[in-house]
Amino acid sequence: SQQGEEDPQALSIQEGENATMNCSYKTSINNLQWYRQNSGRGLVHLILIRSNEREKHSGRLRVTLDTSKKSSSLLITASRAADTASYFCATNSGGGADGLTFGKGTHLIIQP
Amino acid sequence: DVKVTQSSRYLVKRTGEKVFLECVQDMDHENMFWYRQDPGLGLRLIYFSYDVKMKEKGDIPEGYSVSREKKERFSLILESASTNQTSMYLCASSFPPRGYTFGSGTRLTVV
Repeated sequence: SQQGEEDPQALSIQEGENATMNCSYKTSINNLQWYRQNSGRGLVHLILIRSNEREKHSGRLRVTLDTSKKSSSLLITASRAADTASYFCATNSGGGADGLTFGKGTHLIIQP
Repeated sequence: DVKVTQSSRYLVKRTGEKVFLECVQDMDHENMFWYRQDPGLGLRLIYFSYDVKMKEKGDIPEGYSVSREKKERFSLILESASTNQTSMYLCASSFPPRGYTFGSGTRLTVV
């Protein structure tokens, strides 16, 4: 079953601009994670935010989490052509083996 | 650098064949997962394992089985491949509470 739902489904911006993607989920979570997938490849873990955290930074990435609204956002600042990829949020609800449930992703295109 | 290795990038099999997809991790992770990814459906969990010889069904286990005889290896088995199993298959491992490490994926086509 799908837990996270990303918004928008697709996003096209100019290089140097900031990109913001949103994720909504339905049930309570232990943590929320963001992944990037380049075309036809495996997913790469970007950042994990715990349910008791509100904001986290990693390089040009900023993630926020609002558990009252069951939503998260991923901000990529000063975008580069290499940021072109699909971005997925995934939630961990504390089930066995920390199983993650993924959303369908946002496809981000950075125009040079 | 830690790695999850999937044995094949591309695979073409015939309907009815028994298919083995292999995944090996070198991080001593206890948890391993198999997902399939389809356009418009995202990633869906097929099976996972939290220890050697242990396995749990995910959201879509029908038509699949798994084997975990050693900690580093998690195999996905398609007992009798069908065309609706044409997909990208992704293996991952994890050490909670860190994120998953994914393999590069196996694109399977069943003809």
